[in-house]
Amino acid sequence: EPEVTQTPSHQVTQMGQEVILRCVPISNHLYFYWYRQILGQKVEFLVSFYNNEISEKSEIFDDQFSVERPDGSNFTLKIRSTKLEDSAMYFCASTGQGALYGYTFGSGTRLTVV
Amino acid sequence: RKEVEQDPGPFNVPEGATVAFNCTYSNSASQSFFWYRQDCRKEPKLLMSVYSSGNEDGRFTAQLNRASQYISLLIRDSKLSDSATYLCVVAEPSNYQLIWGAGTKLIIKP
Repeated sequence: EPEVTQTPSHQVTQMGQEVILRCVPISNHLYFYWYRQILGQKVEFLVSFYNNEISEKSEIFDDQFSVERPDGSNFTLKIRSTKLEDSAMYFCASTGQGALYGYTFGSGTRLTVV
Repeated sequence: RKEVEQDPGPFNVPEGATVAFNCTYSNSASQSFFWYRQDCRKEPKLLMSVYSSGNEDGRFTAQLNRASQYISLLIRDSKLSDSATYLCVVAEPSNYQLIWGAGTKLIIKP
């Protein structure tokens, strides 16, 4: 069964450092997403990406966040200057038909900011 | 503010029992609904979509009540492996963004 792959599985970084979280969506999918989940809290939408541009973003997705699809297979989330409150699980997801049909999620990257 | 509300549980249920969860949503215009399952510190996995007429997949049955704006999930003959957090998810009608409930934790005991 096709998978969404995320690397690394766990990243520890110092406050103020930049991190890049990487995702390889399912190859024939067209819609890509980043979500995050702070431990014990709800899954929160960050950003959706379609046709090589951001289609939606949440209030959480401020200027310190950016996304890229640099080479047609990878989909990255960059956090420019990490804060303690950025510590969370970050999930990448993709779908071939848009949000109505459910997503396939990657196994997540646990980001710990110290 | 668009909300999806769930009883956080935990529901402690003996193996073999039937258990039901409800979830309420605030936007009456919502059209698409899902149940996801999430194991501890793992990614959410789609369990089933919820259709207007209700739908069944093996031991799992999902129902939608538009008048009361709630969705239910019924698990029959529960197994130890059903222990997880069950997330109710509603797609916003305007932009299809997914709004997530906080999840209901289910613990199946032998």
